Amino acid sequence: SQQGEEDPQALSIQEGENATMNCSYKTSINNLQWYRQNSGRGLVHLILIRSNEREKHSGRLRVTLDTSKKSSSLLITASRAADTASYFCATVFSMDSNYQLIWGAGTKLIIKP
Amino acid sequence: NAGVMQNPRHLVRRRGQEARLRCSPMKGHSHVYWYRQLPEEGLKFMVYLQKENIIDESGMPKERFSAEFPKEGPSILRIQQVVRGDSAAYFCASSPFLVTTNEKLFFGSGTQLSVL
Repeated sequence: SQQGEEDPQALSIQEGENATMNCSYKTSINNLQWYRQNSGRGLVHLILIRSNEREKHSGRLRVTLDTSKKSSSLLITASRAADTASYFCATVFSMDSNYQLIWGAGTKLIIKP
Repeated sequence: NAGVMQNPRHLVRRRGQEARLRCSPMKGHSHVYWYRQLPEEGLKFMVYLQKENIIDESGMPKERFSAEFPKEGPSILRIQQVVRGDSAAYFCASSPFLVTTNEKLFFGSGTQLSVL
């Protein structure tokens, strides 16, 4: 399977703490993207990191990419209750003459007040 | 600029009926993706369309499922003779260009299909 894998499957932390989620994949990628999904809603794009980038920041989000280990991590600093959601990584890679966007199963993050 | 619009939000069908799910991409977006999601699971790719063309339907069952994205109007995902196993959330996403050009996807709120 080419699907990315995320860990942990679920994460519960206190408000104010940092949350780290990881994503691993199996093939060379074009880029890797992180999305957030609130319960019952569609996904919202958070951040995109290209294969030649190693780290990217956006507000309280920090994403790293290690292509040698085929893994990425998403760090949310100073978590808030509103960060409670599922977080998915998506990898874009080429297969035959097509490009595929493959999704991980997600990490369910719960921020306790 | 409205986002990706999906309707209906909830759809209830009896076994054997047809389900038609609609997706209007964001203005200016000509690439549409359909995904299926079961509870507590990730997204499963179904089909990728550009205007009037199916580019990749490798994730869509060959029988009972079809998709279209006409020149005018929304993209339609059609499920004929629905079965209980078709119950899921179906999400549509759009982008202005191929995601390989480092484009992100914009998602609709999904259609929750329940088959009785």
